Formats: sequence, C-alpha cells, structure tokens
Amino acid sequence: EAQVTQNPRYLITVTGKKLTVTCSQNMNHEYMSWYRQDPGLGLRQIYYSMNVEVTDKGDVPEGYKVSRKEKRNFPLILESPSPNQTSLYFCASSLTLRREGHRGEQFFGPGTRLTVL
Amino acid sequence: AQTVTQSQPEMSVQEAETVTLSCTYDTSESDYYLFWYKQPPSRQMILVIRQEAYKQQNATENRFSVNFQKAAKSFSLKISDSQLGDAAMYFCAYRILYFGNEKLTFGTGTRLTIIP
Repeated sequence: EAQVTQNPRYLITVTGKKLTVTCSQNMNHEYMSWYRQDPGLGLRQIYYSMNVEVTDKGDVPEGYKVSRKEKRNFPLILESPSPNQTSLYFCASSLTLRREGHRGEQFFGPGTRLTVL
Repeated sequence: AQTVTQSQPEMSVQEAETVTLSCTYDTSESDYYLFWYKQPPSRQMILVIRQEAYKQQNATENRFSVNFQKAAKSFSLKISDSQLGDAAMYFCAYRILYFGNEKLTFGTGTRLTIIP
C-alpha cells in the first residue's frame, strides 16, 4: 500500500530534550516536506527536500533541522524543543513538478501531535 | 510573498444543499497548481480536487467542483448535495515552481458544518 508513515503519532516531552520525528514514504517520491498545523494559522511549511541531500527552508524553519540521506526518509529534528513548538506536524511526499506524469498533489502522513511542556 | 486567503473561518449548510467555500491567492508565477484538501476529525489530509493553472476548464470531482478565475486569483470550492460526511476543515493550497524550488502554501482553513 502506497503510504507516508510518521512516528511517533503522539509525543509529550519537556523543554530542551532533543527529539526526532521520523517520516518514511514508499512511493519513490523525490519531494518531501514537513508542515506544522496550528489553530487559525493553517499548515505552514517548515522544511522541504527536492531530492537526496537537497533540503531548503520553508516559511517557519527556526528551531528545526532535517536531513535527507535516503530517498524514502525525511526525519524532523528538534534539538532543543520549546513550548511554542507544541503543534500538529505533518510529513508529505510527492513527485516533483518537473517529473513526467506528476499530478502536483502531495500525499500526507497521519500527523504527529507534539506537546512540549 | 506568496499567500492564500480563506476569508470564511466557519461555514454551515443544510444537508443536501449547496455550499461554496472561497479562496484567493497571490502569486506572480504563471504556472502553478491549486488544491482543496479536506481534514475530517481524524486529522488525515485528504485531497478533494486539483486544478492546473494553465487549464481554463474548471475541475470537477463528483459533487465537488471549482470556480477558477485566474485573472482574479480566485479558486472557490462548490459542494453540491452536501452530506454529513462532508463536515470537516477545508484547506485551499497552491504549489509553484519558484526559482528552481517548489513551495506549497496553505490557507488558514474553513470549518464546514453540515446541519441535518
């Protein structure tokens, strides 16, 4: 089954304790992205990756890191989480717009609810 | 700055009636893709409909259709014969190729309630 998986689905942590949220896709997509969703703000892009070893900042990258060492995985790292990073996080993947046969839309993971105390 | 505006934070409609959700966007690019995503209480993001900016014909998917006005930068979603399962948060979004990079920008969402 084609899917994007995220782990963990729920996480409660404390300020300053490093954490990683994993994301994996099995559709051979070049493009992967992380978003955070907050009430009244919609989804905002944190980081994205156009391919292996190619990452770039989205609209709200402060306090986050990413890496893309393999095509299928795109982990989100919070080196020193703070309460303002309490949010719902989504990973998504897709073909790039340059690829033949792309349809433009992204496929989303189920979301990770993060609470930082 | 690339922006997407959904001016209706909440909407409600009687079951079986028609409702239209509005969306406007701002981009200087000429080639882009527009989307409506649905987020039910399960929080899963579900694609409802997509529109390529270079196509003049409005997209339709069963009870869902869009009114795409490129010059006005407007992309509204019409839901016909509303059903209880349509109750959700709806997000408008666009995706562009921007100086070799690709960005996806979302609106703030419209919460749709279906009245039985």
